[in-house]
Amino acid sequence: DIQMTQFPSTLSASVGDRVTITCRASQSISSWLAWYQQKPGRVPKLLMYRASSLESGVPSRFSGSGSGTEFTLTISSLQPDDSATYYCQQHYSYPVTFGGGTKVEIK
Amino acid sequence: EVQLLESGGGLVQPGGSLRLSCAASGFTFSSYAMSWVRQAPGKGLEWVSAITGSGGNTYYADSVKGRFIISRDNSKNTLYLQMSSLRAEDTAVYYCAKATVTTGGHFDLWGRGTLVTVSS
Repeated sequence: DIQMTQFPSTLSASVGDRVTITCRASQSISSWLAWYQQKPGRVPKLLMYRASSLESGVPSRFSGSGSGTEFTLTISSLQPDDSATYYCQQHYSYPVTFGGGTKVEIK
Repeated sequence: EVQLLESGGGLVQPGGSLRLSCAASGFTFSSYAMSWVRQAPGKGLEWVSAITGSGGNTYYADSVKGRFIISRDNSKNTLYLQMSSLRAEDTAVYYCAKATVTTGGHFDLWGRGTLVTVSS
């Protein structure tokens, strides 16, 4: 099974800061990586797919990069509405696996 | 409207069984793989099982293999998860999720979830 390691597990940043979350796969997954945002009590929401493609309707301050085993999700200018937990997910092969999540807090 | 609506959750005793359903609407159900993803209280997302669009292939997490069965009825636009030999660690909100192609892919549509509580 492919393990997804996500870090940091939590981060605290100020409005306007540039924020980067990293996700590492235990083996190459090409670009078959997605990112989701989940707010407390809410359903996960797709942000990025194919590592760097922005889902329709998602603000352009979100971007993704990487291929193979190392991936990043970047928020270029953190906004109050971005307070949430972010998960990466590989769908290169079954079983599908998620990272452990990164909780982003606003200072 | 494009949506997924889960049902069937509830309180069940350890060792018991439960069947979850997910009613899909607003898209061609048979064209897409579907998954169940769960989230234990205060924990992260855990993929549980997937089924291809035709229903011909199914996949399971090791944690549920041999206990859960995923199925679908494309004539009814409904996804199912038959859960048996339930354990306390199966307690979670169960989401159904639509993939982007018939064999898999990322999840572009999620249901609101149904809570399963395994407790005596």
